[in-house]
Amino acid sequence: DVKVTQSSRYLVKRTGEKVFLECVQDMDHENMFWYRQDPGLGLRLIYFSYDVKMKEKGDIPEGYSVSREKKERFSLILESASTNQTSMYLCASRTESPPNQPQHFGDGTRLSIL
Amino acid sequence: KQEVTQIPAALSVPEGENLVLNCSFTDSAIYNLQWFRQDPGKGLTSLLLIQSSQREQTSGRLNASLDKSSGRSTLYIAASQPGDSATYLCAVSGSAGNMLTFGGGTRLMVKP
Repeated sequence: DVKVTQSSRYLVKRTGEKVFLECVQDMDHENMFWYRQDPGLGLRLIYFSYDVKMKEKGDIPEGYSVSREKKERFSLILESASTNQTSMYLCASRTESPPNQPQHFGDGTRLSIL
Repeated sequence: KQEVTQIPAALSVPEGENLVLNCSFTDSAIYNLQWFRQDPGKGLTSLLLIQSSQREQTSGRLNASLDKSSGRSTLYIAASQPGDSATYLCAVSGSAGNMLTFGGGTRLMVKP
């Protein structure tokens, strides 16, 4: 079974802090994704990576950056946390071969910015 | 821009009922459509993936259909159980095959 592990289930940070959310997958998947989930807005894609050191912006990249130095690890960075970044953050991974495979999700990190 | 809508937003049924969840999308140029389940406070679990060339997929008591031309998919759950209580999300993938656009979900409660 695919295992996508997010480093923290709950995280509380202060406005202006630099925040790192970590995600690790154990299936050698090429693609990795970061989403945020908010009531009434659903799941929205922040960034995705299709290979090591490669990234693409999703629908809402503003205020975020990402890092993928190793294939198994994809980090989401809040450069200067703000209260409107309080949300549930979900990481996912997916293989490109064979095609048409589903995304596999971690359990999420509930982030509160005070 | 692709938009995905799920109706109803919430559904409560007695145990044993067969039920249908609906998903519609505005752009028929999709790569595939996926159905997920999400339990409270948890991540998403993939249930079924239908490729754009397929009409349906089945897994156990679940059956998902796809009518790409009309922009619709349904998830049929047979003989519902209390353990089926969760939020069900559908998502479509565009031509790139990677980026998913999600619907708002249907929150299902199956009462014993």
